[in-house]
Amino acid sequence: QLQLQESGPGLVKPTETLSLTCNVSGGSISSSNHFWGWIRQPPRKGLEWIGNIYYSGSAYYNPSLRGRVTMSVDTSRNQFSLRLSSVTAADTAIYYCAVVRGGYSFDYWGQGTLVSVSS
Amino acid sequence: EIVLTQSPATLSLSPGERATLSCRASQSVSNYLAWYQQKPGQAPRLLIYDASNRATGVPARFSGSGSGTDFTLTISSLEPEDFAVYYCQQRSYWLWTFGQGTNVEIK
Repeated sequence: QLQLQESGPGLVKPTETLSLTCNVSGGSISSSNHFWGWIRQPPRKGLEWIGNIYYSGSAYYNPSLRGRVTMSVDTSRNQFSLRLSSVTAADTAIYYCAVVRGGYSFDYWGQGTLVSVSS
Repeated sequence: EIVLTQSPATLSLSPGERATLSCRASQSVSNYLAWYQQKPGQAPRLLIYDASNRATGVPARFSGSGSGTDFTLTISSLEPEDFAVYYCQQRSYWLWTFGQGTNVEIK
């Protein structure tokens, strides 16, 4: 069974770049039809899709974040990453990594990691 | 971008009662609609995909219906562990969106 685990700094300063990694175990990140994604949830608010990436590197991003977000895949380490630039307090959230397997719904999720933006 | 609107925002019910949650899309999503359950401090869990198919391990008291723009998640008889927040989600033109959620709380 696929397992996903987020890692990265819990605190980022305003204007800096947020960087997170999702480690995948129990399966290959190069599996066909698997889309690897990031979703975030500000405190006491709902879910916001950030973006999805295929193992080949093809990526799709939320238009509201386009220009600030970049996702990448490292097949040798079986992990994928998120970079969000020019962060503000509004980017404070729990960040989840998740996977879409062959369809459009997120079948497996990581436990989430809280990232706070503060000086 | 397709917007998903969930109603009601909060549903106050007692254990054993029936819960009916609504999700309306701003344009047709065919049957490409999923539902998730999220409990405090936990990641969301996939319940329903393709509008009406239960994910692996999801109890039969959860059912989904609808197509096009109007969808419903029904919990036939609420168990104590079902009190949580529920989100609908769709994908269209390689853009994923979530509804704002319905909080099912104990009355």
